[in-house]
Amino acid sequence: QLVESGGGLVQSGGSLRLSCSASGFTFSTYAMHWVRQAPGRGLEFVSAISGDGGLTYYSSSVKGRFTISRDNSKSTLYLQMGGLRADDMAVYYCARGPNYGIFGVLGNWGQGTLVTVSS
Amino acid sequence: QSVLTQPPSVSGAPGQRVTISCTGNTSNIGAGYDVHWYQQLPGAAPKLLIFGNSGRPSGVPDRFSGSKSGSSASLAITGLQAEDEADYYCQSHDHSLGGSGVFGGGTKLTVL
Repeated sequence: QLVESGGGLVQSGGSLRLSCSASGFTFSTYAMHWVRQAPGRGLEFVSAISGDGGLTYYSSSVKGRFTISRDNSKSTLYLQMGGLRADDMAVYYCARGPNYGIFGVLGNWGQGTLVTVSS
Repeated sequence: QSVLTQPPSVSGAPGQRVTISCTGNTSNIGAGYDVHWYQQLPGAAPKLLIFGNSGRPSGVPDRFSGSKSGSSASLAITGLQAEDEADYYCQSHDHSLGGSGVFGGGTKLTVL
């Protein structure tokens, strides 16, 4: 099970930290992803991290502004978001990736947390 | 513009068979990367429907099937039911993007 938290209303240019608490599987052996969905739009890969935290990925739209991290002792994934813009407004989903590398099938998804950016 | 192309919408009557295509190129599906499919019911999070081109997670009815050929993949749904009305997304990887994951734009399935 994956449960996201930390979403909310933030002003343009502001910061927010999302968390994703995992249970029911050996967290440290799986890559984890953040995928977002803007209102009425499709799915977009945002960021990903390998099981040991040694490999990370950022989409070009968030590179330099967002930082992904994980605490395997707490089975928790994080996304530190900075320099937020109107086009970052979306539901952010935490998803479990493969138990190898970073990219592969996303086997489980959280319920999502909404990030709203106001100008 | 998504890297993987899906039709924006498809429809079918209950009991019918529908297919949803996912077209890529030689940098993604055609390069041999697996294709996965997700179902997103209205107001819900996406859920894995098909993995590794044609695998079905436990609990997914065998009415859902996936296939891949060349640079394209397809999701077929037989015996269409009202509860199948949802958005469907394909996902693969693209080596021109460093092997990162890519989604199709999504297809809205309407059960008439």
